[in-house]
Amino acid sequence: DQQVKQNSPSLSVQEGRISILNCDYTNSMFDYFLWYKKYPAEGPTFLISISSIKDKNEDGRFTVFLNKSAKHLSLHIVPSQPGDSAVYFCAAVITGANSKLTFGKGITLSVRP
Amino acid sequence: GAVVSQHPSWVICKSGTSVKIECRSLDFQATTMFWYRQFPKQSLMLMATSNEGSKATYEQGVEKDKFLINHASLTLSTLTVTSAHPEDSSFYICSARDSRTPNSPLHFGNGTRLTVT
Repeated sequence: DQQVKQNSPSLSVQEGRISILNCDYTNSMFDYFLWYKKYPAEGPTFLISISSIKDKNEDGRFTVFLNKSAKHLSLHIVPSQPGDSAVYFCAAVITGANSKLTFGKGITLSVRP
Repeated sequence: GAVVSQHPSWVICKSGTSVKIECRSLDFQATTMFWYRQFPKQSLMLMATSNEGSKATYEQGVEKDKFLINHASLTLSTLTVTSAHPEDSSFYICSARDSRTPNSPLHFGNGTRLTVT
């Protein structure tokens, strides 16, 4: 039972354009969402997060949007850069004493120079 | 920034042997660490939660006698894959967060690629 879904396995965009990475979830108890970026042979690194009480969080070129009614979130990267090429994981958590992350399968983003 | 060190980064072992993977938080203390496993083209799947000074909590379907977890100190958790078999070949990743900031994002190690021949 995939509670966090990233249905598109890959995305290719031109440098300078916007990258939009989508994520859907099924568990309405999730109240905190995170995006992690992963390069080959490295562990995931935290990118940006959003609490369920917000619908948008922005950090430089990265913006995450949350639509709770649709159980959908998206990560926008603008402008995209070749160094952004990596696998992006969406993760969700029910906050509490043992906050365990539930991950999606990841999206491979390729930014073409 | 917070760093989690995982060792070894890769290991090849023969079927039936045991392998130990270490996870250390280098500049913070972590009362809880998490162990994940990732199969190719799949998501990171939580295996177990490692609790300092007490027994680990295993996710459904994960054999606690096969995947031994020890969290002996506030900066070290170990995962031992006992009597490894080829189907245990996978990418294992640990994560931790600073105990002083329980709502902060998890920090991940670089993972261990285990190949059982």
